[in-house]
Amino acid sequence: KNQVEQSPQSLIILEGKNCTLQCNYTVSPFSNLRWYKQDTGRGPVSLTIMTFSENTKSNRRYTATLDADTKQSSLHITASQLSDSASYICVVIPDHKYIFGTGTRLKVLA
Amino acid sequence: DVKVTQSSRYLVKRTGEKVFLECVQDMDHENMFWYRQDPGLGLRLIYFSYDVKMKEKGDIPEGYSVSREKKERFSLILESASTNQTSMYLCASNREDTGELFFGEGSRLTVL
Repeated sequence: KNQVEQSPQSLIILEGKNCTLQCNYTVSPFSNLRWYKQDTGRGPVSLTIMTFSENTKSNRRYTATLDADTKQSSLHITASQLSDSASYICVVIPDHKYIFGTGTRLKVLA
Repeated sequence: DVKVTQSSRYLVKRTGEKVFLECVQDMDHENMFWYRQDPGLGLRLIYFSYDVKMKEKGDIPEGYSVSREKKERFSLILESASTNQTSMYLCASNREDTGELFFGEGSRLTVL
C-alpha cells in the first residue's frame, strides 16, 4: 500500500535553532517528492521538489535530502525564524497521483 | 503571480443544506482537484477533473459532486450537508510538466 509517514508529528524549537523533519515512504513507482509549507488557515505552498536522481536541494534556509534506496527524505531548516511556524507536508508523486503525509506541525518560539 | 482562488474562506451551514464551494484558477491548467483536510488524516482526494466536463472520483467521493463547465472553474457541491462534512476544503490545480500542485487558501466549512 502506498504510504507516506512523517515524523515527528509536532515540534517546538527556539528561534535561531535548526531542526530536521523526516519523511518515510512506501510508494512505488517513484516519480518525485515535494515538501509543502502550510501556514495555519492557509493553503499549502511548494518549498522544493526532489526527483529520483537528486540527493540534496536547497531553497534559502530549507535543505531537502532524498535517499531513494531507503525511501527517506528530510527537510532541514537552518536558523529558524518565527515565520517558519507552520505545518510541513511531504508529498510523494508516483505517476501523476499525489500521496500526502499527515504533516509535521512546527512551532518556533521567541 | 499564479493563483487559485476559492470563493469562501469560512462557511457555516445547517444539516441538510446544499453547499457550493467555488474554485477558479488563472494558470490555464488542465487538471483541477478538490481535497478535504482533517487533523491527523492529511489531505484526502474527493474528486479531480482533467478536462472541461470531465471528472473522476477520488478516494472519498461519497456525499459530494463536482462541476467543471469551464476550464478555469471547478465547483464542489454538497447536496445535503452533514456534520461529518465539517472540514477544511482545499482546491488545487497542477502544472502537468512539473507536477507541482497550486492550492487555494482553503474553505473552512462548519455544518451544524
